[in-house]
This record gives sequence, structure tokens and C-alpha cells, in this order.
Amino acid sequence: DTAVSQTPKYLVTQMGNDKSIKCEQNLGHDTMYWYKQDSKKFLKIMFSYNNKELIINETVPNRFSPKSPDKAHLNLHINSLELGDSAVYFCASSQVAEQFFGPGTRLTVL
Amino acid sequence: GDSVTQMEGPVTLSEEAFLTINCTYTATGYPSLFWYVQYPGEGLQLLLKATKADDKGSNKGFEATYRKETTSFHLEKGSVQVSDSAVYFCALSEGKGGSEKLVFGKGTKLTVNP
Repeated sequence: DTAVSQTPKYLVTQMGNDKSIKCEQNLGHDTMYWYKQDSKKFLKIMFSYNNKELIINETVPNRFSPKSPDKAHLNLHINSLELGDSAVYFCASSQVAEQFFGPGTRLTVL
Repeated sequence: GDSVTQMEGPVTLSEEAFLTINCTYTATGYPSLFWYVQYPGEGLQLLLKATKADDKGSNKGFEATYRKETTSFHLEKGSVQVSDSAVYFCALSEGKGGSEKLVFGKGTKLTVNP
């Protein structure tokens, strides 16, 4: 069974569109995260949620809106996509310090 | 805030060579330290971790020791294999109690040739 899953794996879209990425974890963890990996492989946290409550928001543009309908899910909605949003987005979950990552969603904005 | 600095890549080695990837950190407290590995086209996997000074993390022949005095967590392997080719990330955990986040180094790409 996959511990942290994301859909879709690849997402290609035009500038200005709105898109969503879904994440689910079956580990029973309380905390979930979104990270962005840029073209140089640099990883940076975007958001974290603990028991459906937003804990960390790392100065991410308002066009990015995470939503956590329950403890096992953390979705990422992006409005008005820009070229600079092209990246790989990773979802992760944790109970203590160790984090488990999903396979990533490669977003390409044309 | 806290930060992680790891050696720039890429690193290219022959099979069975010795590997060291340097990692140093800056932190106000005593964070947990991690090495994650990303194989081509895949997500990140935890390779090893250490939660306090002088702890040694080890897995799959890789080792790293938490050195408080030098604020370092260097990754080593005595004999690399082609299958070890990947990007390696050093990271620390900042924050507590549900507000933890990982702060990553910039990654080091390792290529092992047969």
C-alpha cells in the first residue's frame, strides 16, 4: 500500500489556468506538508497542516490555497498559474520529526 | 532561521569508490538531522537520521554522525554502487509539536560509473 500518494503525477497546463493537486496519506499521521522543488532541485516548504489546521505558510502567493478536508488529505489549489509555478510539488506527512514523501507532481506551465 | 549547507555537486565516482558528501548546519537549538535520497524520477526517501549529538545514523551501507562541535552531518559510504546514483539531500528539522518543518540543503547529485 502506498503511504503518501499524489495525483496527478504530471500536469501540463496553460498560463492563467486554475489547477489542483491532491494528496492522501494512509499512515495515520497528524501533520501534512507541501514542498516545492524548483528546476535546480532546491526543496522549500510551502505549507503544513496539523489536524486540518494551517500551521506553516511560508510566504507563498495567495494564488496557492491548500485545503485539508480531513487529517488524511491535503490538497493544493493554484489559481492563475504562472510560468514560474513550473516545478515538482511534493506532499509529505509526519507524526514526529520524520517525514514521508509522496512521489511528486510535476507541474509544467506553458 | 536555520540553514543547511551541503557540498555542491555533481559528484562522479567509479564503482567501489569511497563517498563523502559534506553537510554543515546552522541552528539555534539541537535539531534532528536527516539524509534523504531522490532516485531519478522518484520522490524523496529517508536514508538515515540522527536525533542528538554523537548519534550515528546508518542504512544501506551509508553512515552519518551528528557532530555538535563542528555542526556537521557528513554522509559516507565505503564502497558505492551504480545503484547509488541519485540526488542526496541533507536536512534538519526545525520547530516542535506539529509545527516541524524540514530545511533542506541544495542537494548533491551523485553519479556512479561501472
